[in-house]
Amino acid sequence: GENVEQHPSTLSVQEGDSAVIKCTYSDSASNYFPWYKQELGKRPQLIIDIRSNVGEKKDQRIAVTLNKTAKHFSLHITETQPEDSAVYFCAASPDQTGANNLFFGTGTRLTVIP
Amino acid sequence: NAGVTQTPKFRILKIGQSMTLQCTQDMNHNYMYWYRQDPGMGLKLIYYSVGAGITDKGEVPNGYNVSRSTTEDFPLRLELAAPSQTSVYFCASSYPGQIYNQPQHFGDGTRLSIL
Repeated sequence: GENVEQHPSTLSVQEGDSAVIKCTYSDSASNYFPWYKQELGKRPQLIIDIRSNVGEKKDQRIAVTLNKTAKHFSLHITETQPEDSAVYFCAASPDQTGANNLFFGTGTRLTVIP
Repeated sequence: NAGVTQTPKFRILKIGQSMTLQCTQDMNHNYMYWYRQDPGMGLKLIYYSVGAGITDKGEVPNGYNVSRSTTEDFPLRLELAAPSQTSVYFCASSYPGQIYNQPQHFGDGTRLSIL
């Protein structure tokens, strides 16, 4: 099955700086790559996703890039704010079952220091 | 829309007991999923369903069972609770993707401890 690796496991940045989280995947059939933000004790919430037919997608301060050849994708958060502090998960979906199943990375704990 | 609703929010079980975690969604999503999240880890897929009457195993199905009698409900059953099943359980749902996946929407989770 699909194997998703995520780095770093923890990341601390000063408020206003940028944060980058990187993920790699193993299954070349994967074609959907969402990113979820999870605050302590809360549900994972989708913040951005990208499909394999595009290389980059932006939504205000958040962007995701995808390199299908290298099988890696990254989350970029600019002008970080304290409320960005959370655990971020990447995921990949090979969709071989037709059921949109997701395989998650192990998460990155982002701390934004005021 | 309430979205995806899970009950209970918390539960403590003794080893060998059984219980059912409830999940219901009001978004008319065909696809539903159960994940478990162990401390400091990502989510692992337990079971999934692409529609009423259809279920299939995910990455970590051992020790669990599911049913899908309606579009709205997707309960997860633990028959003989074991300490290794201590985890946070999330239910999710999504529309079917025509060509590409559609986003999965998660419930608030059930925190389960087996003692």
